[in-house]
Amino acid sequence: GQNIDQPTEMTATEGAIVQINCTYQTSGFNGLFWYQQHAGEAPTFLSYNVLDGLEEKGRFSSFLSRSKGYSYLLLKELQMKDSASYLCAVDQAGTALIFGKGTTLSVSS
Amino acid sequence: EAQVTQNPRYLITVTGKKLTVTCSQNMNHEYMSWYRQDPGLGLRQIYYSMNVEVTDKGDVPEGYKVSRKEKRNFPLILESPSPNQTSLYFCASRRAGGNEKLFFGSGTQLSVL
Repeated sequence: GQNIDQPTEMTATEGAIVQINCTYQTSGFNGLFWYQQHAGEAPTFLSYNVLDGLEEKGRFSSFLSRSKGYSYLLLKELQMKDSASYLCAVDQAGTALIFGKGTTLSVSS
Repeated sequence: EAQVTQNPRYLITVTGKKLTVTCSQNMNHEYMSWYRQDPGLGLRQIYYSMNVEVTDKGDVPEGYKVSRKEKRNFPLILESPSPNQTSLYFCASRRAGGNEKLFFGSGTQLSVL
């Protein structure tokens, strides 16, 4: 079956670093996406990993280990505007994109 | 501007009254998909389409219909809406093949009374 797990909620303070984990077990795997979604809005693309390792993009980085079925999104120098849901999604052989339930991150001052 | 356009943004209707949510993309994408998003359940795929006249069921297709007569349009049809279809709906598209990100429409908040 398909299973993508993320923590439901996380909290952090401004300026801190937070790591959001995602584990997956899916029947097909072509890569892994991370999306950010503010309440009531559409998800927006953050990162994509297809090979093992770390991809860095400004304050956000994403890591993938295909052998362990594991990814994480690392957010540095947190800002209030980073309060949002973060969605992990597995790309299944170029067809369906299967989403985890999302992690709601609350950043406080 | 490259975009996925969904309409309407908000819709309130009554049980049993057929409705259509439209979705159009201007990026010549082959792949289009519909998701519903509910608290605690995340984004769940309803139907997807790999190209014109090719559609497939996602995880939660019951109570929905779709069609793909043109590449740019992928309407979602609720023939007889019920209250359990009250949800936030997103249309999305991307190029075929792997490694392509999904572009989302702005969403449709549907309430079925």
